[in-house]
Amino acid sequence: QVQVVQSGAEVKKPGASVKVSCKASGYIFTDYYLHWVRQAPGQGLEWMGWIIPNSGVTRYAQKFQGRVTLTRDTSINTAFMELSSLRSDDTAIYFCAKDSGSFSVDYWGQGTLVTVSS
Amino acid sequence: QSALTQPASVSGSPGQSITISCTGTSSDVGGYDYVSWYQHHPGKAPKFMIYDVSKRPSGVSNRFSGSKSGNTASLTISGLQAEDEADYYCNSYTSSSTYVFGTGTKVTVL
Repeated sequence: QVQVVQSGAEVKKPGASVKVSCKASGYIFTDYYLHWVRQAPGQGLEWMGWIIPNSGVTRYAQKFQGRVTLTRDTSINTAFMELSSLRSDDTAIYFCAKDSGSFSVDYWGQGTLVTVSS
Repeated sequence: QSALTQPASVSGSPGQSITISCTGTSSDVGGYDYVSWYQHHPGKAPKFMIYDVSKRPSGVSNRFSGSKSGNTASLTISGLQAEDEADYYCNSYTSSSTYVFGTGTKVTVL
């Protein structure tokens, strides 16, 4: 069965960076895009970007350009999201999600809470 | 890329039907038949409900249906049940090869 398992909660200071991992299993990792989505407290879902695991090609939402970096390690079926220059409004739950193969996402990770606080 | 516009809340009694709208532009909703919908209970991972405007993934109840007209997509829940109470988000592929979510709609079962 498909599973997407994320790393644990993080607490960071303003200005720091955070790197969240997302390990996929139950399907061929390189066959499907992986997306990253976040939800700040009391806010809606916000799409951040995607990565093609096969090639490493990425696409980011304009809002996060220059601050987010998506990478992957195909040897361990794991994707990573690194967000730099953290601010308090980056406090959110960050999700990775597997693309369905049809411009949507079907399986989601459990979410990783990132708290930015001095 | 601005978020797609959804009503903040929609409510209905058990057994009734409700419809949630999702309005975008010709660069997203209106330009592609790649609208999807997600059900989200706070504290849990979102659930995949509809893709390609109107297709249901395996295991999703046929009480959920999707449609689109112009720049507005819609999700209809028929035979409303208590378990349907959740937040619902639309999502669309865009002309920039990115994606954008809707603002979210809280569904309340009265």
